[in-house]
Amino acid sequence: GDSVTQMEGPVTLSEEAFLTINCTYTATGYPSLFWYVQYPGEGLQLLLKATKADDKGSNKGFEATYRKETTSFHLEKGSVQVSDSAVYFCALRKLTGGGNKLTFGTGTQLKVEL
Amino acid sequence: EPEVTQTPSHQVTQMGQEVILRCVPISNHLYFYWYRQILGQKVEFLVSFYNNEISEKSEIFDDQFSVERPDGSNFTLKIRSTKLEDSAMYFCASGLGTIGANVLTFGAGSRLTVL
Repeated sequence: GDSVTQMEGPVTLSEEAFLTINCTYTATGYPSLFWYVQYPGEGLQLLLKATKADDKGSNKGFEATYRKETTSFHLEKGSVQVSDSAVYFCALRKLTGGGNKLTFGTGTQLKVEL
Repeated sequence: EPEVTQTPSHQVTQMGQEVILRCVPISNHLYFYWYRQILGQKVEFLVSFYNNEISEKSEIFDDQFSVERPDGSNFTLKIRSTKLEDSAMYFCASGLGTIGANVLTFGAGSRLTVL
């Protein structure tokens, strides 16, 4: 079945450091790919998405490129801030039946320190 | 910006009790979902709902779970007889469609604690 694999956390960085959170997927067909973020005490928020190969999603300084050849969707940010501390979830979506559902990775906790 | 609203934010219940978690999806959305996240684990799909019926459910969604959309605005998840392992954060989500760039919008979650 479909699956998403993320690097394990927690990832601890100093402010202004470069961030990469790896995500790879296994799926048949052509899924859409997403990064969701969960700030402490809050729900899941869509961070960015890409719907086809070579698309780049970007938002709030974060970027991820849909790489079909490596089945990857790594999240990057050039300079992290303390406010970026959260759990980041990679997810894929396939169309199934009368709707669609997301398959999530395990989440990667990011801690950014001064 | 439209949002998905969930109540209660936190519920504590005794094992064996019935629990109803409520969600108000975005008004023009047609597809509705429940997911759950056990503490420290990944977010898991429970069920999807479209056109007043379940369109897909996971193996987690057994006979003790049910969903309904009683009045055209609310979308509820009922757990008939709660177990300790039902303790989790339950997220409701809704979506407008199933194609292209349509995305799911999640609520803030309802934390269920079963004692």
